Amino acid sequence: GAGVSQSPSNKVTEKGKDVELRCDPISGHTALYWYRQSLGQGLEFLIYFQGNSAPDKSGLPSDRFSAERTGGSVSTLTIQRTQQEDSAVYLCASSSTTGGGYTFGSGTRLTVV
Amino acid sequence: QKEVEQDPGPLSVPEGAIVSLNCTYSNSAFQYFMWYRQYSRKGPELLMYTYSSGNKEDGRFTAQVDKSSKYISLFIRDSQPSDSATYLCAMSGEGGYQKVTFGTGTKLQVIP
Repeated sequence: GAGVSQSPSNKVTEKGKDVELRCDPISGHTALYWYRQSLGQGLEFLIYFQGNSAPDKSGLPSDRFSAERTGGSVSTLTIQRTQQEDSAVYLCASSSTTGGGYTFGSGTRLTVV
Repeated sequence: QKEVEQDPGPLSVPEGAIVSLNCTYSNSAFQYFMWYRQYSRKGPELLMYTYSSGNKEDGRFTAQVDKSSKYISLFIRDSQPSDSATYLCAMSGEGGYQKVTFGTGTKLQVIP
């Protein structure tokens, strides 16, 4: 597609359940990022994939969070045993190796009840 | 102290005004500087992208970077109601595809 696609756009889950968020980056973009945006907060870096290199996981807030990127394209962010503080908008972005900034998807709005 | 500081606003201006949005930062390794615009319930959209110090102009938008002062600005001329959004500054080190650090955003409202 022409842009970064994220699904679902909205997700309501019960506390303690696992959720999977999907990101389909722009074709040909080798770098993929996950950020989290909470109400009134800036964008919090979570994880970064670049080509075949080991991902930079330094922003993952706990071991309940994990992400993978299959075949250098689609990425899935998994949150296990969700907590209410996990409620936020999860944004995915991709970029090419020539830089030029990120292209963001519209995000997944996660609500943990 | 946060690496990137940005006044959250809100900033309210009349249509046609010149808007000045600013960020300061502490990490001298930052080389790439960006401004994103984010409408409600949408992902951020890249507006301006500059490398190192200097000015860059694109239509009604001008981005300025002063690395000696660790200060960046975005100017919007002839502001329009459609410019009402949250503006996020962002910056990264060498290699434009590296992890980017964002400001918290300034909410702008342009009143018709």
